[in-house]
Amino acid sequence: EAGVTQFPSHSVIEKGQTVTLRCDPISGHDNLYWYRRVMGKEIKFLLHFVKESKQDESGMPNNRFLAERTGGTYSTLKVQPAELEDSGVYFCASSQSIWVADTEAFFGQGTRLTVV
Amino acid sequence: GNSVTQMEGPVTLSEEAFLTINCTYTATGYPSLFWYVQYPGEGLQLLLKATKADDKGSNKGFEATYRKETTSFHLEKGSVQVSDSAVYFCALAGGAQKLVFGQGTRLTINP
Repeated sequence: EAGVTQFPSHSVIEKGQTVTLRCDPISGHDNLYWYRRVMGKEIKFLLHFVKESKQDESGMPNNRFLAERTGGTYSTLKVQPAELEDSGVYFCASSQSIWVADTEAFFGQGTRLTVV
Repeated sequence: GNSVTQMEGPVTLSEEAFLTINCTYTATGYPSLFWYVQYPGEGLQLLLKATKADDKGSNKGFEATYRKETTSFHLEKGSVQVSDSAVYFCALAGGAQKLVFGQGTRLTINP
């Protein structure tokens, strides 16, 4: 069974450009999460989809970030326009259940974004 | 709000040494506690978890005990191997899958 897949693995863009990150969750997982780790600090929650609906987007830093999950399958995270402080590693995770007691969340390898 | 504080890294040990990575947390209620590991070039993997006080999570020779009285979940291994070199993250969740992570500890094991 394929795990959580993220594209691209690395991206280097200039300040002011647009970047779109993609996440393909494990098949059948309704729950999809985005996290990011900035400057070697803690990994922070960005948002949570249940199927195609945004369940919790309390961690989204500002309106330059737009996440979508059309059709409830893969998800994209667009940063427009990118700023220097957006550099970091963006992780995607998926799970069958919303509850940690029922199942674990599986993470992708992450996308390393560098804004120069 | 909920938070996790992890031992500052990086940590460098020799093979077969004893490992402790400290983790303390602040949370309302009774969270579940986790250790995740990221090996070079790979994604985050769940290493172990504990869902209630005094539970001990264990996997691959690693152990951590949920200590409610000290709000801690320290990771230990009796004899580390070179293959244990990775970044380790302590995390908590209040019930739903929204994880709160610590800053990570980079561990390097020298042969």
